[in-house]
Amino acid sequence: DVVMTQTPVSLSVSLGGQTSISCRSSQSLVHSDGNTYLYWYLQKPGQSPQLLIYKVSNRFSGVPDRFSGSGSGTDFTLKISRVEPEDLGVYYCYQGTHYPPTFGGGTKLELK
Amino acid sequence: EVQLVESGGGLVQPGRSMKLSCAASGFTFSNYGMAWVRQAPTKGLEWVATISYDGSSTYYRDSVKGRFTISRDNAKSTLYLQMNSLRSEDTATYYCTLTGSSWGQGVMVTVSS
Repeated sequence: DVVMTQTPVSLSVSLGGQTSISCRSSQSLVHSDGNTYLYWYLQKPGQSPQLLIYKVSNRFSGVPDRFSGSGSGTDFTLKISRVEPEDLGVYYCYQGTHYPPTFGGGTKLELK
Repeated sequence: EVQLVESGGGLVQPGRSMKLSCAASGFTFSNYGMAWVRQAPTKGLEWVATISYDGSSTYYRDSVKGRFTISRDNAKSTLYLQMNSLRSEDTATYYCTLTGSSWGQGVMVTVSS
């Protein structure tokens, strides 16, 4: 199985500040069809996960441009700028390129 | 608006069975693959199973293969997860998801004697 390693495990950030989360996969996430099926999710406390970014860098509908995704191959990053209170929760990366699909262990974003 | 509503969870003894349902609305259900993802208490997310838009293809994680069956009824816009021979390690909140883009609110399954 593809192992998705997220760092850091937790993050403290000030409101209005900027931060980033790293996600590394144990093998390349480039699919034979040329796409890279790397996604980012946010799970707010007591809620279901919500999709933020799909295929590395595409913001899902309604996701503010404060969120941006980048990377290629095995190294990916989620950047959050101008952090707002509603951004707090646990962030997960997820790969859908290889079966079985796998999630990273999560990064908890908290207020400093 | 996409809506996914899971039902059928609860407390079940080890070795017994349980069937989860996910009622879908707000999109053409028969056009999309669907999946189940679970989350054990205080743990991360874990993919469980996926089914193709027409039900012809199914995929499972190894730990549930042979015990769980994902299925769908496109006429009823409903996704199912039949879980047999349940184990304590199957205790989790189970989410149905539309190709990862939309998620239900989740249903708790507790396997305990």
